[in-house]
Amino acid sequence: EAGVAQSPRYKIIEKRQSVAFWCNPISGHATLYWYQQILGQGPKLLIQFQNNGVVDDSQLPKDRFSAERLKGVDSTLKIQPAKLEDSAVYLCASSLGVGEETQYFGPGTRLLVL
Amino acid sequence: QKEVEQDPGPLSVPEGAIVSLNCTYSNSAFQYFMWYRQYSRKGPELLMYTYSSGNKEDGRFTAQVDKSSKYISLFIRDSQPSDSATYLCAMSVNSGYALNFGKGTSLLVTP
Repeated sequence: EAGVAQSPRYKIIEKRQSVAFWCNPISGHATLYWYQQILGQGPKLLIQFQNNGVVDDSQLPKDRFSAERLKGVDSTLKIQPAKLEDSAVYLCASSLGVGEETQYFGPGTRLLVL
Repeated sequence: QKEVEQDPGPLSVPEGAIVSLNCTYSNSAFQYFMWYRQYSRKGPELLMYTYSSGNKEDGRFTAQVDKSSKYISLFIRDSQPSDSATYLCAMSVNSGYALNFGKGTSLLVTP
């Protein structure tokens, strides 16, 4: 079974630029999560989708972050404009659905904002 | 006060030692408790999952949850160099919803 795929793996941008990350969850997984992991910290949820609907985006900085999951499969997370404090690893995870405790994580995208 | 507290270490032990990792939490509504292992430059992978209080054993790993003390533990017996990684505790109020993670404890098992 293929795991969660993410791209790019690494990205370096300057502050105020925009950037987008892509995630392809495990086939058949209805729930998709985006987490932000700052160096030395545990992952923090940014947004959770159930199919193509948003379940929880309470911690998403909506003035600069946006995410979508068209057709309930792939998802993109965008930052515009980026700030220095956005430097982090952005992890995508998926699970079979709400009520399923196992979240499978992708390798993450490492973002460095200069 | 963060909802989940975890000592970041680092923790260094010799091969074969018993390792004890733990987390405390403040939200009494947490019901689902997990331990994830994260190797360098990889995503977290689920090691152990426990619902409510009690113990769970899987091979060399044992997870314990004490809801009365708001304290969870992970024990690793006969530790191996391949166990060297960061161990993250995570918990949630409802299954399938947002995980609240600790900072992670960095473990090094030396041959």
